[in-house]
Amino acid sequence: EAGVTQFPSHSVIEKGQTVTLRCDPISGHDNLYWYRRVMGKEIKFLLHFVKESKQDESGMPNNRFLAERTGGTYSTLKVQPAELEDSGVYFCASSRGQNNEQFFGPGTRLTVL
Amino acid sequence: AQSVTQLDSQVPVFEEAPVELRCNYSSSVSVYLFWYVQYPNQGLQLLLKYLSGSTLVESINGFEAEFNKSQTSFHLRKPSVHISDTAEYFCAVNSNYQLIWGAGTKLIIKP
Repeated sequence: EAGVTQFPSHSVIEKGQTVTLRCDPISGHDNLYWYRRVMGKEIKFLLHFVKESKQDESGMPNNRFLAERTGGTYSTLKVQPAELEDSGVYFCASSRGQNNEQFFGPGTRLTVL
Repeated sequence: AQSVTQLDSQVPVFEEAPVELRCNYSSSVSVYLFWYVQYPNQGLQLLLKYLSGSTLVESINGFEAEFNKSQTSFHLRKPSVHISDTAEYFCAVNSNYQLIWGAGTKLIIKP
């Protein structure tokens, strides 16, 4: 089966611009997660969807970040406006159940200049 | 709140030598523990996991980790490393359905 895919693989934008990251989970996986790794630091949880509903968004850093999962399939994570500290690698993961193994995508490397 | 500590940011080791990557977590309540690996220019892959049962878990490529509840540790070991093991290794614990991560350890294999 196809794995988790993320688009784009890299994005370079200027401070103040908007960027939208996309994640396509493994087909049939109801649970979708977003994580972020800022340079040199640990990977941090951002939020968790169960189907189209946000189960837990406690890790979202501020209201410049908006995640959606319309129809319970793919998800988007929009950053508007982007700030320098938003630079990092954004990982998406999906799982069949909430305690099952999470399968990760390759990540999107975001650079804000 | 849960936390995961990987004390070593990088571990250099000669090829064919043994290696241990250390991981400690903050709570002794029931936990699910994981080691993920990120090879250069690739995404995160699950290496092995402890959910319940035997405290010693193994991966298909020769790594093993032992869950030690009294020491709240889940150290990763391999008796003989290969150049292809060069990667960054992450320890993680499942807490409220999200993964809490250590800072990662870069395994550097010296020829």
